Amino acid sequence: EDKVVQSPLSLVVHEGDTVTLNCSYEVTNFRSLLWYKQEKKAPTFLFMLTSSGIEKKSGRLSSILDKKELFSILNITATQTGDSAIYLCAVNSNSGYALNFGKGTSLLVTP
Amino acid sequence: EAGVAQSPRYKIIEKRQSVAFWCNPISGHATLYWYQQILGQGPKLLIQFQNNGVVDDSQLPKDRFSAERLKGVDSTLKIQPAKLEDSAVYLCASSLERGRGQGFYEQYFGPGTRLTVT
Repeated sequence: EDKVVQSPLSLVVHEGDTVTLNCSYEVTNFRSLLWYKQEKKAPTFLFMLTSSGIEKKSGRLSSILDKKELFSILNITATQTGDSAIYLCAVNSNSGYALNFGKGTSLLVTP
Repeated sequence: EAGVAQSPRYKIIEKRQSVAFWCNPISGHATLYWYQQILGQGPKLLIQFQNNGVVDDSQLPKDRFSAERLKGVDSTLKIQPAKLEDSAVYLCASSLERGRGQGFYEQYFGPGTRLTVT
């Protein structure tokens, strides 16, 4: 059975700190790994990673995938209170079209 | 570009009642997904449509849940009868059609419907 495990489950940091969120996975026929940010209700797309070692960046957020060790990290530098959200990691495999989500990391950034 | 639309946003029902949710995907997105997200967990796929055909409904509790996507655009998800454990946020997502040999397209989510069963 496919598994996606995120850590930590929750995190509290001060504004300006840098955080690293982890996602490890066990899936058959891995195709891609996606990161989403969920505030209130709808998850919003952040990154999709398919190749090992290639960092994706968007402003203060960046992510990288290690297909050999089966994990990905999401980094947020100079955190702001607006970064407070649940960050979801999801994996897609060739066995289906759907995304298999982890439980998420709840991040709280305090002023 | 308009996003994925869902209604209602909130619904409170008693157990054994029935409820229906509606989703309108992003224009041009052939693939539509319904997810169930229980508090403290990630979304779990219930059913996936490509155009008006079902691609995957292996995790849909078919004794009480049903879904349809007539005409390959809007979709409805129904629960009848509801149980207490159905309390969750029901998320609809859509993506471009995934053809043979093509990459995976990211999914765009609607605001969800929060269902409370009492």
